[in-house]
Amino acid sequence: AQTVTQSQPEMSVQEAETVTLSCTYDTSESNYYLFWYKQPPSRQMILVIRQEAYKQQNATENRFSVNFQKAAKSFSLKISDSQLGDTAMYFCALGGSQGNLIFGKGTKLSVKP
Amino acid sequence: GAVVSQHPSRVICKSGTSVKIECRSLDFQATTMFWYRQFPKQSLMLMATSNEGSKATYEQGVEKDKFLINHASLTLSTLTVTSAHPEDSSFYICSASTGLSGQPQHFGDGTRLSIL
Repeated sequence: AQTVTQSQPEMSVQEAETVTLSCTYDTSESNYYLFWYKQPPSRQMILVIRQEAYKQQNATENRFSVNFQKAAKSFSLKISDSQLGDTAMYFCALGGSQGNLIFGKGTKLSVKP
Repeated sequence: GAVVSQHPSRVICKSGTSVKIECRSLDFQATTMFWYRQFPKQSLMLMATSNEGSKATYEQGVEKDKFLINHASLTLSTLTVTSAHPEDSSFYICSASTGLSGQPQHFGDGTRLSIL
């Protein structure tokens, strides 16, 4: 079975600081993908970053980067220079070969001024 | 690019009414569309997966006669909640994908359904 675990229900960070959100997963598939989605209070699901499991290089998108540790099945998200607009629920997701996504329970991030 | 439109954004109706929610991919062909349900402060729960031109695949515990899904074209999927009751009140959100392995799902803005 495929599972995604986010062990931090809530986190907070001061504006302009860096925060790391944790995610671990389990899968028996050899070809899979990992995603972080952001859901602000508007409840829109926004893709933050994507990582192919076969790539060793960590994905980066502006202030967002991941630390992908394949052997440890870990996929953490680092947000640098946090902004008030980063306040949201963050969901880690595992994508299988069928295109489906398995979501973690989410981490509620609050950025404080 | 990759815009998904979901309509309506909010529905309030009486118990026993059937409600149709539309999900459209505006600038790409969505071979596969997904329907999720999200309870307050919880994660997304996959209800069903639909591929264009074929019957939807429902997750365990989801009543297919209750939640009718149609995916007749590469840009449109609909979810109909038949004879809705208060326990069906929830946030429903769709996503669309090209169906290619590794491609992200692009989400609609969701529909808040309230059954009185």
